[in-house]
Amino acid sequence: NAGVTQTPKFRVLKTGQSMTLLCAQDMNHEYMYWYRQDPGMGLRLIHYSVGEGTTAKGEVPDGYNVSRLKKQNFLLGLESAAPSQTSVYFCASSYPTSGAVDEQFFGPGTRLTVL
Amino acid sequence: LAKTTQPISMDSYEGQEVNITCSHNNIATNDYITWYQQFPSQGPRFIIQGYKTKVTNEVASLFIPADRKSSTLSLPRVSLSDTAVYYCLVGDMKGEYGGSQGNLIFGKGTKLSVKP
Repeated sequence: NAGVTQTPKFRVLKTGQSMTLLCAQDMNHEYMYWYRQDPGMGLRLIHYSVGEGTTAKGEVPDGYNVSRLKKQNFLLGLESAAPSQTSVYFCASSYPTSGAVDEQFFGPGTRLTVL
Repeated sequence: LAKTTQPISMDSYEGQEVNITCSHNNIATNDYITWYQQFPSQGPRFIIQGYKTKVTNEVASLFIPADRKSSTLSLPRVSLSDTAVYYCLVGDMKGEYGGSQGNLIFGKGTKLSVKP
């Protein structure tokens, strides 16, 4: 099992450009998440999905869109990148656990720089 | 979601036991306490989760007092490879953002440095 993979690993954008980050998981997990992590900060939830075809906003959703067309994939889009979106982006997935909080499995991250 | 407070950093030496305490005074009845570990340039990794008393697995122990307003992650005999940031999270199955799953709020964590 590859677990959670993210594409690309690094990317540099100019202000106003668009791009899509791809997250894939091979664990048949129902739930998937996108986080961003800024220097010295913890992770903040951008969007999440509780199943194929569903998405929901997290703590910091502005400037991002997501899609979950296939159960194993969760895409994060930046329509018009801004320098404030320079960050490391982590994708995670989990399987619903009865009676407890799900264990989330994280990908290796995508380092994005917006100039 | 309950707010958590952890020390920003801790230093230790190889072979010592390390205890990292997390305060969560506003923990709710349905909240669980979860700890994650993050190495540089990697995503966080689940370490341990508990609701009350003591939980132990192959890598750590989690101590939760009766009032559940704090918890302590215990790492026995740390090595250099345990140098990482450790996050304490408190939440329940019904996340702040709705839905049927537990959303996790990561604070700034505790940066543990293990020295030889």
